[in-house]
Amino acid sequence: EPEVTQTPSHQVTQMGQEVILRCVPISNHLYFYWYRQILGQKVEFLVSFYNNEISEKSEIFDDQFSVERPDGSNFTLKIRSTKLEDSAMYFCASSYRTGDDTQYFGPGTRLTVL
Amino acid sequence: QKEVEQDPGPLSVPEGAIVSLNCTYSNSAFQYFMWYRQYSRKGPELLMYTYSSGNKEDGRFTAQVDKSSKYISLFIRDSQPSDSATYLCAAGGSGNTGKLIFGQGTTLQVKP
Repeated sequence: EPEVTQTPSHQVTQMGQEVILRCVPISNHLYFYWYRQILGQKVEFLVSFYNNEISEKSEIFDDQFSVERPDGSNFTLKIRSTKLEDSAMYFCASSYRTGDDTQYFGPGTRLTVL
Repeated sequence: QKEVEQDPGPLSVPEGAIVSLNCTYSNSAFQYFMWYRQYSRKGPELLMYTYSSGNKEDGRFTAQVDKSSKYISLFIRDSQPSDSATYLCAAGGSGNTGKLIFGQGTTLQVKP
């Protein structure tokens, strides 16, 4: 069964450093998403991406964040200068369509900022 | 007011019990609703997807949506210890970007 994969599973970084989180969405999916979940809190939407453009972004997704689909299979989230409060689980998701279509989530990357 | 509200629990039931998990939402523009199961430190796993008011059944799981009262439910019949997890409700469709709004999640423990 196709699945969304994410690497690394755990990333530890120093405050102020740049990190890139990687995702491989399901191969025939066209819509891609990033969510995050701070420990003990709800899953929060960060950004949706389609046709090489951001469709929507949340207030959390400020200028320190960027997304890219560098090739036909990967989807990345870059945090330019990490802060302590960026420590969270980051989930990538993908769907074949938007609107009334289901999103499948990856296993997540746990980001720890020291 | 939070867009999607869910009682975090925890909810503890004996094996074999019927479990009822509930969410309310405030945005009448939401068009579709999903239930995900999440094990500790893992990604959400899709359980059920519903688009309209009414019931949808899949094995031991039944999802129910009442758009008039903005209320969504997930019922688990014959609960098993392996059902112990956090259950997340999510709502979407207020725009056309696929954005999902999640509830807090309800932690369920099924005791043998």
